[in-house]
Amino acid sequence: AQKVTQAQTEISVVEKEDVTLDCVYETRDTTYYLFWYKQPPSGELVFLIRRNSFDEQNEISGRYSWNFQKSTSSFNFTITASQVVDSAVYFCALSVVSGGSNYKLTFGKGTLLTVNP
Amino acid sequence: DGGITQSPKYLFRKEGQNVTLSCEQNLNHDTMYWYRQDPGQGLRLIYYSQIVNDFQKGDIAEGYSVSREKKESFPLTVTSAQKNPTAFYLCASSNRGRYNSPLHFGNGTRLTVT
Repeated sequence: AQKVTQAQTEISVVEKEDVTLDCVYETRDTTYYLFWYKQPPSGELVFLIRRNSFDEQNEISGRYSWNFQKSTSSFNFTITASQVVDSAVYFCALSVVSGGSNYKLTFGKGTLLTVNP
Repeated sequence: DGGITQSPKYLFRKEGQNVTLSCEQNLNHDTMYWYRQDPGQGLRLIYYSQIVNDFQKGDIAEGYSVSREKKESFPLTVTSAQKNPTAFYLCASSNRGRYNSPLHFGNGTRLTVT
């Protein structure tokens, strides 16, 4: 069975602080994909990044960076110099192949990030 | 611009009534999904469809029904059999339903049943 744990239910920071959102996953599959999505107050989930299980390179995109470590089954997300517009719920998700062409996508419960001015 | 349209944004119903949530996409995606989101519970899959006239149950399909008569449309009916229908419902789509394809989401419908 697959599982995604986002232990931080809520995080509150002051603008310009750096913040890291934790994601720990469980799977017995050797091939899988990890995702991060952002859900602003408008409700729509926005895709941020995808990483496959064979690529452990960290990635940086502007103020966003992701640290993938298979040894600890973690895929953490860091926002540098946070801004008020970063306030949202962030979801980590795990996708594995399940039964031929089907697949199973499991979401964590999300972390509510509030960035205060 | 391509995207997913869910309507209405807010929906109110009396207990015992069926209600249908609309989802339309113009992304030419093959696979469409319905998720339910409850506070502090993340997203749970209700149904998904990889091709017209075919769909599969997700983790919490009981009390829900869907149809896929057109590639662009995937309406969800919340029946009176659903014990706790009040929730935020999200429709999504992906290209070919491959496991490495990111999902594109609509803005959601917030259903309140009293």
